[in-house]
Amino acid sequence: DIQVTQSPSSLSASVGDRVTITCRTSQNIGRYLNWYQQKPGKAPKLLIYAASSFQTGVPSRFSAAESGTNFTLTISSLQPEDFATYYCQPSYSTPYTFGQGTKLEIK
Amino acid sequence: QLQLQESGPGLVKPSETLSLTCTVSGGSISSTSYYWGWIRQSPGKGLEWIGHIYYSGSTYYNPSLKSRVTISIDTSKNQFSLKLTSVSAADTAVYYCAREWDQRAFDIWGQGTMVTVSS
Repeated sequence: DIQVTQSPSSLSASVGDRVTITCRTSQNIGRYLNWYQQKPGKAPKLLIYAASSFQTGVPSRFSAAESGTNFTLTISSLQPEDFATYYCQPSYSTPYTFGQGTKLEIK
Repeated sequence: QLQLQESGPGLVKPSETLSLTCTVSGGSISSTSYYWGWIRQSPGKGLEWIGHIYYSGSTYYNPSLKSRVTISIDTSKNQFSLKLTSVSAADTAVYYCAREWDQRAFDIWGQGTMVTVSS
């Protein structure tokens, strides 16, 4: 199984800040990684697939990149609606796993 | 617009079988482009993929649950279902059904249903 380590587990930031979340996989998975946003009481929402392709409607302040086994999700200027929990999901092979989550909180 | 909706008991006794159904509306479950999956989230915890099914009935389960899981599909009703046997408190979670498209990403999710295992 592909293991993934997501960091940080929590992040406190202010509106307008730039933040980066990282996922590191246990083996090279190419671009097979997706990012989700989850707000309390809601299902996760797909933001980015195939490492850096945007789902329709995702604001341009989100960006994503891949370098070997390291994947990053960056929000360039935090907006109030961005405070949520973010998960990465390696999708190279089953069984699929998810990162442990990064809870982004307002400072 | 495609929508998924989970249904089933919210309370299951230990050692019994958890049964949930996901109804797909606004599109066909028989599409060759998608798998249909189940994912759960324990209270305050992360996400765990349970397994998925193709319209043909082909399945793959998470090995951690494989001995207890069955996912089935009813194309005539546009539904797919989850059965998890011999449940314990550790199976208490929000259960989501989701569509998995060819990018191996879950692009449409149900709202989730909370299942509590308790006597």
